[in-house]
Amino acid sequence: NAGVMQNPRHLVRRRGQEARLRCSPMKGHSHVYWYRQLPEEGLKFMVYLQKENIIDESGMPKERFSAEFPKEGPSILRIQQVVRGDSAAYFCASSPYRDNDQPQHFGDGTRLSIL
Amino acid sequence: SQQGEEDPQALSIQEGENATMNCSYKTSINNLQWYRQNSGRGLVHLILIRSNEREKHSGRLRVTLDTSKKSSSLLITASRAADTASYFCATEGSSNTGKLIFGQGTTLQVKP
Repeated sequence: NAGVMQNPRHLVRRRGQEARLRCSPMKGHSHVYWYRQLPEEGLKFMVYLQKENIIDESGMPKERFSAEFPKEGPSILRIQQVVRGDSAAYFCASSPYRDNDQPQHFGDGTRLSIL
Repeated sequence: SQQGEEDPQALSIQEGENATMNCSYKTSINNLQWYRQNSGRGLVHLILIRSNEREKHSGRLRVTLDTSKKSSSLLITASRAADTASYFCATEGSSNTGKLIFGQGTTLQVKP
């Protein structure tokens, strides 16, 4: 069973460019969560999506950030016009359904560096 | 907003010793979970304890939860060098959105 797959593992962008981060959940999982981790810190929730729906985006910055989870294909976290402060590790997690007490399964993350 | 905080921030022990990490949080929760993160990797789920449970065991792991004090502890017994990692507690609130709130983590080093 393949786990949560994120790509790329490392992404380098210059200020002002766009960054696209991809996440393929575990097979059979239809719930996806994105988190951001700054150096030496814990993970911060960004957004929770089901297929074709955004359920909770309370952790997403108001501008430049967007997320989608289409009917077919991976979930995408998109950051437009990146700035140095966007440098972080971005983790995706998935779960098979939304129920209390359901652990989330994490990918190995995308490390985004902004030059 | 609720926030998990772990202490200590860093812990260094010898192989074979026990390691105890603590976590505190601020608001009501459905459950509290512990995750491990090896350097450069994603998080691995270790154990989940529900709000109506007080203690849970899994192999060499023992987790306690005190909802009156809003705190939890993770005990790793007979530690091994392979246990070297960062450990995070995460709480799931009562809003049932799946949103996990993570603490800052405890970095554990187990010396062979």
